[in-house]
Amino acid sequence: QLRLQESGPGLVKPSETLSLTCTVSGASISSSSYYWDWIRQPPGKGLECIGAIYSGGSTYYNPSLKSRVTIFVDTSKNQFSLKLSSVTAADTAVYYCARAATGRTDWFDPWGQGILVTVSS
Amino acid sequence: QSVLTQPPSVSGAPGQRVTISCTGSSSNIGAGYDVNWYQQLPGTAPKLLIYANNNRPSGVPDRFSGSKSGTSASLAITGLQAEDEADYYCQSYDNTLSTSVFGGGTKLTVL
Repeated sequence: QLRLQESGPGLVKPSETLSLTCTVSGASISSSSYYWDWIRQPPGKGLECIGAIYSGGSTYYNPSLKSRVTIFVDTSKNQFSLKLSSVTAADTAVYYCARAATGRTDWFDPWGQGILVTVSS
Repeated sequence: QSVLTQPPSVSGAPGQRVTISCTGSSSNIGAGYDVNWYQQLPGTAPKLLIYANNNRPSGVPDRFSGSKSGTSASLAITGLQAEDEADYYCQSYDNTLSTSVFGGGTKLTVL
């Protein structure tokens, strides 16, 4: 059974870089023809796509966040990671990793349990 | 303000049928992009409910169904149960924003 699990600091200071890792179990990132995504949800609000990495290494970033986002993969650990630079309080959110199946519109399944990251000094 | 518009809340009694609408525009749903639906139970991650407009993943009851027409889509839930009380989100792709987009979410209350 495919499972995803987010990990990383729950508290980041303003202007610093948020770093999260998603560990995938039950399938190999490198052998699957899927995108591996990061999605976030500010407290009490809706969902926002951050970006994705393909098993072959190509990336896609939401244009509204592109200047601050880097997503990369470590196939030896079956993990993919997110870095978001110059964070502000507006980046406080639950961050989810998910696998995306490609279609006319990608759909996200399954999702990790999510990790709350608070930006505060 | 979300690109896809959903009603903030809907409600229904056990056993009833409810629908949740998702209204987009010519740059997303109206452009022919598929719509997906997710259920988010309190304190949990979203779960895929419907993909590609009207397809249910394995394990999702057939009480849940999706449809799409023009610039809108709908999620229908029949035989409402207490366990259906959750937030529901629609999702599509927007070719102006060049990213997948979600609706603002609809809170379903089972009376």
